[in-house]
Amino acid sequence: AQKITQTQPGMFVQEKEAVTLDCTYDTSDPSYGLFWYKQPSSGEMIFLIYQGSYDQQNATEGRYSLNFQKARKSANLVISASQLGDSAMYFCAMREGPWNYGGSQGNLIFGKGTKLSVKP
Amino acid sequence: GAGVSQSPSNKVTEKGKDVELRCDPISGHTALYWYRQRLGQGLEFLIYFQGNSAPDKSGLPSDRFSAERTGESVSTLTIQRTQQEDSAVYLCASSPRTSGGASRTDTQYFGPGTRLTVL
Repeated sequence: AQKITQTQPGMFVQEKEAVTLDCTYDTSDPSYGLFWYKQPSSGEMIFLIYQGSYDQQNATEGRYSLNFQKARKSANLVISASQLGDSAMYFCAMREGPWNYGGSQGNLIFGKGTKLSVKP
Repeated sequence: GAGVSQSPSNKVTEKGKDVELRCDPISGHTALYWYRQRLGQGLEFLIYFQGNSAPDKSGLPSDRFSAERTGESVSTLTIQRTQQEDSAVYLCASSPRTSGGASRTDTQYFGPGTRLTVL
């Protein structure tokens, strides 16, 4: 079974509107972290936002916010006031824990991504 | 400060040749990761280094793949006898010292990647 599922291969949004990118995850570990990355056509992976499994509040970073619904195991990314420069691939990723110093866990598990296109 | 750097940015090789890919992590980051991204796909984990501990090689797809890291600095990913299915972008990431639980400080910062094409 996939650990990270992004069900939207492609999304379109009008400039200045908000858009939600879906992500569901699967883990039995009580301690985990969820990350969103942006990958523009240049190929670089840019960190956007982080949500810890024990965080009481939804994470926010500027125009990015994370709609974290722990019981549903979803961590949707919300981008407000979309800009043309937001056009890119967006990846949801999870890191399971506990990961101790020198332990074998630590890598990110990625979804297949959502391609967001912002229309002028 | 400087981010993660990788070299070369592009590598074209012939099937059967060996290649070496290099990664310079962010200074002070003890954890280093290699990932592979095939065209149109998400990232696949390859190998993970944490300080002086034995690396986690659980993601390496075959024994043709190996990686080394000198202390807490540069890492080299080597692919021997390259095959066409090895064509992909190879991404390196680093993060600060790993905590004992879920923390934002475990965020991984990626380099620009090396695009490998095996003819």
